[in-house]
Amino acid sequence: AQSVTQPDIHITVSEGASLELRCNYSYGATPYLFWYVQSPGQGLQLLLKYFSGDTLVQGIKGFEAEFKRSQSSFNLRKPSVHWSDAAEYFCAVGANSNYQLIWGAGTKLIIKP
Amino acid sequence: DAGITQSPRHKVTETGTPVTLRCHQTENHRYMYWYRQDPGHGLRLIHYSYGVKDTDKGEVSDGYSVSRSKTEDFLLTLESATSSQTSVYFCAISEGTTNEKLFFGSGTQLSVL
Repeated sequence: AQSVTQPDIHITVSEGASLELRCNYSYGATPYLFWYVQSPGQGLQLLLKYFSGDTLVQGIKGFEAEFKRSQSSFNLRKPSVHWSDAAEYFCAVGANSNYQLIWGAGTKLIIKP
Repeated sequence: DAGITQSPRHKVTETGTPVTLRCHQTENHRYMYWYRQDPGHGLRLIHYSYGVKDTDKGEVSDGYSVSRSKTEDFLLTLESATSSQTSVYFCAISEGTTNEKLFFGSGTQLSVL
């Protein structure tokens, strides 16, 4: 069955420290991979996406993610977090010609001053 | 920001009553989606539309119906609300299929008592 796992429900990081949020997927075909961010009380916003090509993709707000086929992972990274990065982050997987994304349960990022 | 308006933003209703949520877009995007968001589940697709009067079911469609009589409006109806339908509902739009960037509304918090 297709699934997306975000192993960490919460992550706490000090401001200025580096960040890595994990995403593992189970999918039969070559996946389309996404990271979205949700600020409190808001809808979701696309951070970045991977369809093909370079496995390291750059997104908005200084985020990047790396697709590792051998590990079925698409982890999100940022070298130095800011207090404004406090939000919930969702990984999602889709396929070509498929209307249904499979979503992870989300990771809530807490920033320590 | 994409022009997506959800109404109402908050609603409290009683079990057994019908409820209609509205999503209005000003982007002229072909695809529209209704998701529900519950803690620990990420987002789950309820219904989607790929054109005027063209709709289809998502993974959690039981108890919900939709209509799209105009490109800009996508209505979600809970025919007889139940407490299990207490959730945050998000409308999203995209130009292409799900593998295109999704733009989300700000959500509707629905409480069924």
